[in-house]
Amino acid sequence: DGGITQSPKYLFRKEGQNVTLSCEQNLNHDAMYWYRQDPGQGLRLIYYSQIVNDFQKGDIAEGYSVSREKKESFPLTVTSAQKNPTAFYLCASSPPPSGGGPYNEQFFGPGTRLTVL
Amino acid sequence: ILNVEQSPQSLHVQEGDSTNFTCSFPSSNFYALHWYRWETAKSPEALFVMTLNGDEKKKGRISATLNTKEGYSYLYIKGSQPEDSATYLCAFSGGYQKVTFGTGTKLQVIP
Repeated sequence: DGGITQSPKYLFRKEGQNVTLSCEQNLNHDAMYWYRQDPGQGLRLIYYSQIVNDFQKGDIAEGYSVSREKKESFPLTVTSAQKNPTAFYLCASSPPPSGGGPYNEQFFGPGTRLTVL
Repeated sequence: ILNVEQSPQSLHVQEGDSTNFTCSFPSSNFYALHWYRWETAKSPEALFVMTLNGDEKKKGRISATLNTKEGYSYLYIKGSQPEDSATYLCAFSGGYQKVTFGTGTKLQVIP
């Protein structure tokens, strides 16, 4: 059963602690993404990776870090430098564009709700 | 950060009514426009991807149109059903593999 898994579903951490959110996909997709959602706001891009060992900052990368050592995995670390880490985090992946186009649909995981106390 | 706007923010319709909502996006450097449906407690799922001005896509009772010159897309739902209740997101791509999402339109269909 192909898909994207994120764990855990709910995560609680104390202020000042780093925390790593897991994202795994078995869809054989090259590109992976991390988004953050806050109440009343759309999905905002944190980081994305188009290929293993390469990643780019999105619109709100400050206070976050990622790695892409394997095609299947794209973990996100929320560091203590992130001023407002409590949010819902979504991971997504997408296959290479079809027909030579620049963009393909994204497939999303179930999300992790992080609460920093 | 690109400005992708959706309206209305939320709406309630009666079962059987038809409805539509709007996504506005930059009219320059257009690559693609996507619509996603996000049901409560589920993951967002892609409905349509549109790349050409004048594109029209249809899936059952749901259809979408695209105007890249003026920077808008409409999503239409004909004869709304309770199972259509969800948040509908549009996503604009102005470059390879990077997208900007709108804030979404939350639709509630009342039986």
